[in-house]
Amino acid sequence: GNSVTQMEGPVTLSEEAFLTINCTYTATGYPSLFWYVQYPGEGLQLLLKATKADDKGSNKGFEATYRKETTSFHLEKGSVQVSDSAVYFCGGYQKVTFGIGTKLQVIP
Amino acid sequence: GAGVSQSPSNKVTEKGKDVELRCDPISGHTALYWYRQSLGQGLEFLIYFQGNSAPDKSGLPSDRFSAERTGGSVSTLTIQRTQQEDSAVYLCASSLQRGTTGELFFGEGSRLTVL
Repeated sequence: GNSVTQMEGPVTLSEEAFLTINCTYTATGYPSLFWYVQYPGEGLQLLLKATKADDKGSNKGFEATYRKETTSFHLEKGSVQVSDSAVYFCGGYQKVTFGIGTKLQVIP
Repeated sequence: GAGVSQSPSNKVTEKGKDVELRCDPISGHTALYWYRQSLGQGLEFLIYFQGNSAPDKSGLPSDRFSAERTGGSVSTLTIQRTQQEDSAVYLCASSLQRGTTGELFFGEGSRLTVL
């Protein structure tokens, strides 16, 4: 079946630090992958997506590259801000499956 | 409305009572999903609707859980004889069509507390 393995949090970083949140996906074939973000007190919203292997999704300074060999889709940002504090969910479209979520806290 | 609307936003109930949670998807969205968000469990898929039919109910945790969708629009998730382990935030999402890479639009959820 489909499954998403996502790095567990919480992750605490200082402002301007580099962020990586690991995500791997197990499925039949190579489904499109995505990251959703849930800011405090708000609903989930799409952050970025990649529709095929080797694609890179990017938005708001975040990037993720779909690595076919490892079916990974790690989320990265070069310099995090306090406003990036949220819960991040990795997932795939084949069955719209989400990972466990990773809480990120950025401190000034 | 402009977005996915869920009600009630908060529900406190006693163990053994039935609850109904409602979801109003974005107009024109044929796909509708229910998820459960619990601490340490992430987003747990419950059920998916395409129009009024539910081709995937595989995530419903027990027969106490059921859902329906009428008119290809509003959906109701019903939990019978609630248990404390049912306490969670229940999220609804809609999209134009499942199986594509279209964006899911989420509501803000219904927080259920079973005492």
